[in-house]
Amino acid sequence: EIVLTQSPGTLSLSPGERATLSCRASQSVSSSYLAWYQQKPGQAPRLLIYGASSRATGIPDRFSGSGSGTDFTLTISRLEPEDFAVYYCQQYGSSPPGYTFGQGTKLEIK
Amino acid sequence: QLQLQESGPGLVKPSETLSLTCTVSGGSISSSSYYWGWIRQPPGKGLEWIGSIYYSGSTYYNPSLKSRVTISVDTSKNQFSLKLSSVTAADTAVYYCARPMIGSSSWYLWGQGTLVTVSS
Repeated sequence: EIVLTQSPGTLSLSPGERATLSCRASQSVSSSYLAWYQQKPGQAPRLLIYGASSRATGIPDRFSGSGSGTDFTLTISRLEPEDFAVYYCQQYGSSPPGYTFGQGTKLEIK
Repeated sequence: QLQLQESGPGLVKPSETLSLTCTVSGGSISSSSYYWGWIRQPPGKGLEWIGSIYYSGSTYYNPSLKSRVTISVDTSKNQFSLKLSSVTAADTAVYYCARPMIGSSSWYLWGQGTLVTVSS
């Protein structure tokens, strides 16, 4: 089973700053199968990025994803107040088939 | 537009079976070529995929839960269901049903989630 490790656990930044969130896999992940989600308190997760770098419908272009192999990054170019939330990465593996999530990064207002 | 809604008891006793249903509205569960899924989140913790089902009934499960999980589908009711047996307090969580993005392995559409507490 592939384990995803996200860092940092908590990131404290101010609105307008740039946020860089990391997701590292225990073994190589196909870029096609790497996604990022945003979750706010009391809400279901919201898909931000799929295929490592493609934005989901309606996601602002300040969100971008990159990476390959075992290292992936979610970047928020200029933080807006509504961006402070918890972010999860997720991968799909085919052997055995299934999904795993990282433990999450909490992005908090500094 | 397509919507998902979880339903079921909010309280289950230890050692009993947790049963939840996801009702799909705004579209047919059997007209789409993807697997529907269940995902859970213990309070204050991260997300865990439980399992997935195709409208034909084909399933695959998280190996860590496989011995206790059964997911089924009822196309006539446009629903799919989760059963988790022999529950303990560790199974207390918000349970979500979800649908992946077409042609993708990412979860695009989610239900609002339902909290299930395991307690006597």
